[in-house]
Amino acid sequence: EADIYQTPRYLVIGTGKKITLECSQTMGHDKMYWYQQDPGMELHLIHYSYGVNSTEKGDLSSESTVSRIRTEHFPLTLESARPSHTSQYLCASTDGTSGYNEQFFGPGTRLTVL
Amino acid sequence: GNSVTQMEGPVTLSEEAFLTINCTYTATGYPSLFWYVQYPGEGLQLLLKATKADDKGSNKGFEATYRKETTSFHLEKGSVQVSDSAVYFCALNSGYALNFGKGTSLLVTP
Repeated sequence: EADIYQTPRYLVIGTGKKITLECSQTMGHDKMYWYQQDPGMELHLIHYSYGVNSTEKGDLSSESTVSRIRTEHFPLTLESARPSHTSQYLCASTDGTSGYNEQFFGPGTRLTVL
Repeated sequence: GNSVTQMEGPVTLSEEAFLTINCTYTATGYPSLFWYVQYPGEGLQLLLKATKADDKGSNKGFEATYRKETTSFHLEKGSVQVSDSAVYFCALNSGYALNFGKGTSLLVTP
């Protein structure tokens, strides 16, 4: 069973607030990912990391930033939230050693910016 | 580049009907292929996978066969249940991440 956690599960905030979405995994996986899922269900990769101190931007441009100071922790930050940031955010990880890139997903954070 | 195309939904079936969700891919080489399922309000769960051509992945009555000649990985289940109602995503390994299809919503009615 995958052990990857996201908090909060639901967040409603006002425009202009700074927020951090937390993602942690206890599997010792090196690779971690953030996806944004739009209401039409499509997943967009916004950030990924190959390990500590490694972060890369994904396929979809995002105003968010990420950090990877510890292997198990990959938080996503929005400095100034806007209504256009309203979405579901999914965190995932993989150990990458098999080469298959099988990813394990957290339950997601549903963000609403008013 | 690598990409996945899956049939658009929503798909509505009666309980015990046969399910097929089509997925085709474009890729260099022979990447690993996956089906993920997302139940309402949850993250994605791996349903099954195939790591090389002609492999058949199976789980919970679902099956998919990696066919390189048709570049396909169609998901099938012989008899769906109401509890199978969810969104299904086909994905392939693009090296640095997974490339996902747009998802197919399945609704199974009693």
